[in-house]
Amino acid sequence: EVMLVESGGGLVKPGGSLKLSCAASGFTFSSYALSWVRQTPEKRLEWVATISSGGNYTYFPDSMKGRFTISRDNAKNTLYLQMSSLRSEDTAIYYCARHKATVADYWGQGTTLTVSS
Amino acid sequence: DILLTQSPAILSVSPGERVSLSCRASQSIGTSIHWYQQRTNGSPRLLIKYASESISGIPSRFSGSGSGTDFTLTINSVESEDIADYYCQQSNSWPTYTFGGGTKLEIK
Repeated sequence: EVMLVESGGGLVKPGGSLKLSCAASGFTFSSYALSWVRQTPEKRLEWVATISSGGNYTYFPDSMKGRFTISRDNAKNTLYLQMSSLRSEDTAIYYCARHKATVADYWGQGTTLTVSS
Repeated sequence: DILLTQSPAILSVSPGERVSLSCRASQSIGTSIHWYQQRTNGSPRLLIKYASESISGIPSRFSGSGSGTDFTLTINSVESEDIADYYCQQSNSWPTYTFGGGTKLEIK
């Protein structure tokens, strides 16, 4: 069974940093591209970052470039999202998702980030 | 960026009805559209890929159609468990991609 389990969310002050993790199991981790997608309090889904299967290529929307870093450890079957200079508008549920070709076919249960003073 | 507009924002239906949810793209994207269901407190679940391809384990009452800029998710004979938010997502610009704003399906 494919499982993706996010962790690391919490309450962070504006300007702070946080690193999220996504532990994967039930599939050959190193064969799939992975993404982070967030859901805002208004329930809007936003693509945050994508990393290739080998970790050599990363992609971000322009709005996330420079503040967010996506990485993976294929030996540990774990995906990461390092976030810095956090703002209130980064408050969201953060999901990791597996991509089969261009389709996000499995999603984790999400971890919640709240940015507030 | 490719924008996706979903309509209606909220759809109230009775059990057993056939419903259609719309997703319109700001430019032609072929069939690079995927549909997700999100129940309350749940994660998005893939329902349909590439506009009309079915997904293993998804009930056959869910189907998709369309190409270019206009896409439709149809639910034949809505059941109470179908109450959820539905999102479309385009991957024509992969590895970048975008989501629609969602349609909330309610029971009358």
